[in-house]
Amino acid sequence: GAGVSQSPSNKVTEKGKDVELRCDPISGHTALYWYRQSLGQGLEFLIYFQGNSAPDKSGLPSDRFSAERTGGSVSTLTIQRTQQEDSAVYLCASSVVIGGRSPLHFGNGTRLTVT
Amino acid sequence: QKEVEQNSGPLSVPEGAIASLNCTYSDRGSQSFFWYRQYSGKSPELIMSIYSNGDKEDGRFTAQLNKASQYVSLLIRDSQPSDSATYLCALENAGGTSYGKLTFGQGTILTVHP
Repeated sequence: GAGVSQSPSNKVTEKGKDVELRCDPISGHTALYWYRQSLGQGLEFLIYFQGNSAPDKSGLPSDRFSAERTGGSVSTLTIQRTQQEDSAVYLCASSVVIGGRSPLHFGNGTRLTVT
Repeated sequence: QKEVEQNSGPLSVPEGAIASLNCTYSDRGSQSFFWYRQYSGKSPELIMSIYSNGDKEDGRFTAQLNKASQYVSLLIRDSQPSDSATYLCALENAGGTSYGKLTFGQGTILTVHP
């Protein structure tokens, strides 16, 4: 597709349930990022993929969060045993790193609400 | 100290005025700087990038970078109500294993009133 695609766009789940968020990056973009944005807050880095490997997982808030990427393309962010503080917009972005200059292209995000 | 600092605002300017948005950062090794615009309920979109000291102009937007002072700014000339949004400053961290990873400021809310 033309841009970064994320699904679902909205997800409401009960506390304690697991959720999976999907990201389909721009074709040919080798780098993929997950960010989280809570209401009125800036973007919080979660994890970065280069190809299928994740050199930087430093932003994952707890071991309930995990992510994978397959085929150098689609990525899935999984949150186990969701908590109310997990409620946020989860943004995926992709980029092509060229000479150290790599603007991110964001998807429309998944709005997660944990009740 | 936060890595990227922005005044959260809101910054209110009249239509036609110049809006000045400022950002300071702590990592002297940062090489690439970006301004993103985010409308309410939408995802961030890139509007400017700047990599070397000085000014960079694109239409009504001018980005200014001063690495010695660790300061980057965005000027919006002839501000329009459609410019009302949150403006996010971001920088690319130097080196390490997170090549291309951006760190964002909290964003400045800009309101342009008719």
